[in-house]
Amino acid sequence: LAKTTQPISMDSYEGQEVNITCSHNNIATNDYITWYQQFPSQGPRFIIQGYKTKVTNEVASLFIPADRKSSTLSLPRVSLSDTAVYYCLVGGYSGGYQKVTFGTGTKLQVIP
Amino acid sequence: DVKVTQSSRYLVKRTGEKVFLECVQDMDHENMFWYRQDPGLGLRLIYFSYDVKMKEKGDIPEGYSVSREKKERFSLILESASTNQTSMYLCASSPGQPLLKQYFGPGTRLTVT
Repeated sequence: LAKTTQPISMDSYEGQEVNITCSHNNIATNDYITWYQQFPSQGPRFIIQGYKTKVTNEVASLFIPADRKSSTLSLPRVSLSDTAVYYCLVGGYSGGYQKVTFGTGTKLQVIP
Repeated sequence: DVKVTQSSRYLVKRTGEKVFLECVQDMDHENMFWYRQDPGLGLRLIYFSYDVKMKEKGDIPEGYSVSREKKERFSLILESASTNQTSMYLCASSPGQPLLKQYFGPGTRLTVT
């Protein structure tokens, strides 16, 4: 399974764009990259998912270079409510079922 | 909206007790997962199931077992609870597609004394 590496923590001021990078050097051909957000005392919540190039939704953008060995989650104009832990997840189907690996997450602190 | 519920938010058990944690999902998902979450270690996969009566070991299955008799229900069993199993336990479910979009329950904080 592909192992992921993320920064342990990041600080950002309100209104700024935040980019969190995840490294996954041994990603497999059929693996997808998925990002989750987790607030204290809650389960993680899906943010965005991609396979290659760029994906954008109403919450974030995901940039994946051609070699797919890393990915960057971009949060535009963060607010205090974006303070959370962000997890990068890499995995896919193996032997007919999903196998997944969560990283340790990046704790984002948004400062007023 | 997908709903994943867990039987308890907080649970306190004694060392050596048998503990059952139950998870129910209401969206007919094929896949269900049990994780534990500890400070500094992130989420670690204990077991997962991709079909009724099917199970696969995750990264840290030792000391745990699971049961999936019905599609909507996935149980985690601690045969003989130990203090190092004090943790937050999270259940998740996902459909066959899209890949890896998991829906998590609120978690059960288990304390073993």
